[in-house]
Amino acid sequence: DAGITQSPRHKVTETGTPVTLRCHQTENHRYMYWYRQDPGHGLRLIHYSYGVKDTDKGEVSDGYSVSRSKTEDFLLTLESATSSQTSVYFCAIRERRYNEQFFGPGTRLTVL
Amino acid sequence: SQELEQSPQSLIVQEGKNLTINCTSSKTLYGLYWYKQKYGEGLIFLMMLQKGGEEKSHEKITAKLDEKKQQSSLHITASQPSHAGIYLCGADIVNNAGNMLTFGGGTRLMVKP
Repeated sequence: DAGITQSPRHKVTETGTPVTLRCHQTENHRYMYWYRQDPGHGLRLIHYSYGVKDTDKGEVSDGYSVSRSKTEDFLLTLESATSSQTSVYFCAIRERRYNEQFFGPGTRLTVL
Repeated sequence: SQELEQSPQSLIVQEGKNLTINCTSSKTLYGLYWYKQKYGEGLIFLMMLQKGGEEKSHEKITAKLDEKKQQSSLHITASQPSHAGIYLCGADIVNNAGNMLTFGGGTRLMVKP
């Protein structure tokens, strides 16, 4: 399972509240990614990180920020959650040797 | 994503039958990933292809990347109920850095016992 965990696994929150999702990996991978998955849109990249404090935007980064203060943790923050951010969020890592990407179990976020 | 088209969108097959899922891009595929997703669960990595003409197999699943690197096919031999799920292809079509993956819309497979 590539040693990836996500927390929380489920969250219900209200519009306008801040939300932080955590991705934790145990195998010292350099590259980490946040995706969201929505019906009709599939999987889309939000942000990614290529090292501690090194991050870049993906396809749908508006309304999201990320931080990576240590190798094992990649945080995704919704500063002020909106109903359009209701989604399933997946974290992924890229295994350096073969470039394979492995995904975490996902976090189901509902914004009311 | 319209940049990466999967076909068919859904498929129902009888157990024991073979099937093929296609993933087509209008751009060069620098890296092509195949995943399986059970309903409501995470993505399970199946295989990754990078070289034109490359073919990989895992148990009864074979994936190929065509020579021109714009299409990949996933073939399941003698399908079983355990093969049911959503198959997703993802590809690096921006550059060869492997960071900006684009995903297809998925193919829903149902296998009838």
